[in-house]
Amino acid sequence: AQTVTQSQPEMSVQEAETVTLSCTYDTSESDYYLFWYKQPPSRQMILVIRQEAYKQQNATENRFSVNFQKAAKSFSLKISDSQLGDAAMYFCAYRAREYGNKLVFGAGTILRVKS
Amino acid sequence: GAVVSQHPSRVICKSGTSVKIECRSLDFQATTMFWYRQFPKKSLMLMATSNEGSKATYEQGVEKDKFLINHASLTLSTLTVTSAHPEDSSFYICSPTNANEKLFFGSGTQLSVL
Repeated sequence: AQTVTQSQPEMSVQEAETVTLSCTYDTSESDYYLFWYKQPPSRQMILVIRQEAYKQQNATENRFSVNFQKAAKSFSLKISDSQLGDAAMYFCAYRAREYGNKLVFGAGTILRVKS
Repeated sequence: GAVVSQHPSRVICKSGTSVKIECRSLDFQATTMFWYRQFPKKSLMLMATSNEGSKATYEQGVEKDKFLINHASLTLSTLTVTSAHPEDSSFYICSPTNANEKLFFGSGTQLSVL
């Protein structure tokens, strides 16, 4: 079964500093997608970044970037120049067509940003 | 961006009553709908998957007779929690996909059963 593991229940970062959130996953598929979602206190799910497994280049979206290590099945999120508005719960998620295209979520990491 | 409307955002009901949650895709056709539930500070757990005009497929452990899902049109899906009990209190989120398999999220419904 496909599983997603986030081993950091909580993380803290100083404003303007950089933080990395960890994620590992388990799958036997070769074609899949990985995502990081942000869930602020409003609880609206917001897509932060996505990565296609067939792409070797790491995805980047402004201050957010990933380190995708396909062989190691690792998909970490780096947030640079952290801002107070980055404080939220972050979920790593996996999706594969062979698995019904549904998202499988990790347990989540609460990110706190200190001013 | 695509707009998903989920209503109500919050509902309080008495134990034993039924509650219906609506999820509408306002500017695209939702070929597939995923329904999730989320307990406080926990992850999203998939309850069921439905395709327009077909019966929903429920995840293991989810009672199909308690959580009725209707996906009768490409723009509307409903989740009805029947005979709700306090343990059904949770945050419910719909997640439609369009024909290109792009996935969106509703804003969620907080259900509190007294």
